[in-house]
Amino acid sequence: EAGVTQFPSHSVIEKGQTVTLRCDPISGHDNLYWYRRVMGKEIKFLLHFVKESKQDESGMPNNRFLAERTGGTYSTLKVQPAELEDSGVYFCASSHKKEWNTEAFFGQGTRLTVV
Amino acid sequence: AQTVTQSQPEMSVQEAETVTLSCTYDTSESDYYLFWYKQPPSRQMILVIRQEAYKQQNATENRFSVNFQKAAKSFSLKISDSQLGDAAMYFCAYRSANTGNQFYFGTGTSLTVIP
Repeated sequence: EAGVTQFPSHSVIEKGQTVTLRCDPISGHDNLYWYRRVMGKEIKFLLHFVKESKQDESGMPNNRFLAERTGGTYSTLKVQPAELEDSGVYFCASSHKKEWNTEAFFGQGTRLTVV
Repeated sequence: AQTVTQSQPEMSVQEAETVTLSCTYDTSESDYYLFWYKQPPSRQMILVIRQEAYKQQNATENRFSVNFQKAAKSFSLKISDSQLGDAAMYFCAYRSANTGNQFYFGTGTSLTVIP
């Protein structure tokens, strides 16, 4: 079974540009999450999809971030325009059920560097 | 809000020896779940071990075990007979059983295994 896949693995962009990150969850997983880790800090929650609906987007830093999950399959996270403080590793995770003890399966992350 | 603290940014252990990674958390809830995730370099983050807060017995998974002290809000990970493949970033995480669906992570501990 394929795991959670994220594209690209690395991205370097200039301040003001746009970047789109993609996440392919494990097939059949209704729950999809985005997290971000800024260098040296904790991994922080960004948002949670259940199928194509945003269940919780309380962690989204500002309106420069837009997440979509059309059709309830893969998800994209767009940053427009990118700022220096957006640099970090963006993780995607998916899970099948909403039970609280269920583990979430994580991708390898996308390392975003804004210069 | 829940917070998770990992006070050891870096740890090292001799191969075949035992190492303990510390984690403390802050919550006012009584029902929750605790996790240790491991991320090898450039690889996916994977679940190492999970503990339900209502269980007094410490979870174990082969060479990995936890010391869960609910009153002290402490959740340390012990790795016995350390192997080279254990080298990774380890993240402690908290998940509420009542509110929300997100994980709260610590800042991570980078573990080096010395041959």
